[in-house]
This record gives sequence, structure tokens and C-alpha cells, in this order.
Amino acid sequence: RKEVEQDPGPFNVPEGATVAFNCTYSNSASQSFFWYRQDCRKEPKLLMSVYSSGNEDGRFTAQLNRASQYISLLIRDSKLSDSATYLCVVNSPGNTGKLIFGQGTTLQVKP
Amino acid sequence: GAGVSQSPSNKVTEKGKDVELRCDPISGHTALYWYRQSLGQGLEFLIYFQGNSAPDKSGLPSDRFSAERTGGSVSTLTIQRTQQEDSAVYLCASSTRGGGGEQFFGPGTRLTVL
Repeated sequence: RKEVEQDPGPFNVPEGATVAFNCTYSNSASQSFFWYRQDCRKEPKLLMSVYSSGNEDGRFTAQLNRASQYISLLIRDSKLSDSATYLCVVNSPGNTGKLIFGQGTTLQVKP
Repeated sequence: GAGVSQSPSNKVTEKGKDVELRCDPISGHTALYWYRQSLGQGLEFLIYFQGNSAPDKSGLPSDRFSAERTGGSVSTLTIQRTQQEDSAVYLCASSTRGGGGEQFFGPGTRLTVL
């Protein structure tokens, strides 16, 4: 079983749609969680950290359920510029900062 | 300010040759990471440096892979006797500290082994 699992998609949605991505992780000792965004042939960039209380950044909302080991990302009012691959990322337990990446979910927003 | 830089951006080599990939982290970042991304695969961790030492090398796939970091700055990833399965994008990231600080990624080196 992969340490971080995501539905690879692709998700094809019209502009203005709301879309949700889900992710599960296997190591219950994990402490830090993130969503990264990766554009085609570019490096990953941090989109947002994910906290137990849930957090929102504009049109983006992230949720963490530690009991279910489940992470989600909700994008409201999708824009064409949101088209990218969204990577669910978990910090490996320990003190190294080593990141464990899901395979990513591809989003294509269409006019 | 300057971000993480990597060189070369692309490298094509023949099977069996050695290659060196370079990473210049953000100035002042003490933590440095190497990852690789193969076609159709997620990013996988290779090695972590804190200063010049590597407390976690657990992701290096074989003894053909090695890395060093000097002066707490530049890092070099060396792959000896390259194989076709080594073809991937090799990404470097740096962070102000290990253990959870935001990691900033470089643009990567795309390695193709023929």
C-alpha cells in the first residue's frame, strides 16, 4: 500500500465549478500535511498547509481528519489558471522534514 | 531574491556513464533535500542534508547513487554507471530548517539515459 494515496483523475470541470480532492495516508504518526501544486514540467510549489481545525485561503479550503487519516482540498469557483496537478504531501515522522508525496490529482478547468 | 537553482537543466547520457547533478540552495537554508520524479510516478525522497551531514540517506535506490554537500551550501548528486531506469527529473529543495519548514524546490534536472 502506498504511504499517500490520491485519485489521479483527471478531473475535468467547467469554470466556476467547485471541485474536491481527497487523499489518505498510512502512517498515523505523521504530524504535518500539505497540498502542493505542480504545473506541467515545473517544480512543485506549496499551496497550503493543512491543519486539524481546517484552514481556508481564498477559494481553497483544506481539511484534515486524523482519525480517518484523510486529507481534502476544496476549490471553489474554479478558474482556468487552477489547471494543474495537486499533490497531497505528508511529512514523514521523525525530525528530518522528509516529505512523502502522493501521485497527484490532475485538474483541468475548461471555459 | 534568488530561489533554488539546479544545473544542468537537461542531461542526456549513455548507459554506463557517470553523471553529476548540482543544486544551489537558497542562501542561509540549512536543510537540503533531493527527490526524483519518474514518468507516471510521484516524487520520491532520496536524501536529506542538515548542514554538510546527511542524517537520512534512506531513499537512495542503490550504491550507484551518492551525494555530498560542502560549505553548508552547494550539493552534488552523483549517479555512477547510469541505467535507463535512472531516467527521471531530479529535484532539489531547501528549507530554513529540517523537521518541517517549508521546502522550496528548484526547477529540476531532467536526466535521460539512452
